[in-house]
Amino acid sequence: AQSVAQPEDQVNVAEGNPLTVKCTYSVSGNPYLFWYVQYPNRGLQFLLKYITGDNLVKGSYGFEAEFNKSQTSFHLKKPSALVSDSALYFCAVRVGNFNKFYFGSGTKLNVKP
Amino acid sequence: EAGVVQSPRYKIIEKKQPVAFWCNPISGHNTLYWYLQNLGQGPELLIRYENEEAVDDSQLPKDRFSAERLKGVDSTLKIQPAELGDSAVYLCASSPRAATTGYNEQFFGPGTRLTVL
Repeated sequence: AQSVAQPEDQVNVAEGNPLTVKCTYSVSGNPYLFWYVQYPNRGLQFLLKYITGDNLVKGSYGFEAEFNKSQTSFHLKKPSALVSDSALYFCAVRVGNFNKFYFGSGTKLNVKP
Repeated sequence: EAGVVQSPRYKIIEKKQPVAFWCNPISGHNTLYWYLQNLGQGPELLIRYENEEAVDDSQLPKDRFSAERLKGVDSTLKIQPAELGDSAVYLCASSPRAATTGYNEQFFGPGTRLTVL
């Protein structure tokens, strides 16, 4: 069965500090990995994706993520957090040629001034 | 480019009443999804369409939920009758067809927040 885990319900970080939001996955076949952000009362917005190639992927708003095949992880990172980064973050995996996505349960990021 | 459009944004109904949600995907997107999102949780797939064909509806509670995408463009999700536990946000998303355009992300609408009293 395909699944995505986000082990932390909440991550707290001070503005200006680096942040990491964790994601691990379990799939049969090649994983295609995505990160989305959701602000209150809004739909999910795409941040970045890993399909193939370089394990370090850069995305919107200064976010990046590192694909680690041996650890089956795809952690989201940002060198310097902003208060405006506070939101709900979702990791998702898509398997193979199918247009089906599996989402994690989400991690609430709180960035304090 | 217009995004995914959903209406209404909010709906409050009493239990046992019917309700319908509408979604218009991004132009040219063949794949359309309906998700249910409970508060603080990740989206859970209800149904996925490729054009007008429902290719994955295994998670749709078919005794009360139904969906259609008659012309392969916009879609309607219906609940009849609604129950208290149906209170949630219903998200619509679309994406290009996988085989022709690579591994694209989904584009989400703002969602419809349903409250069943």
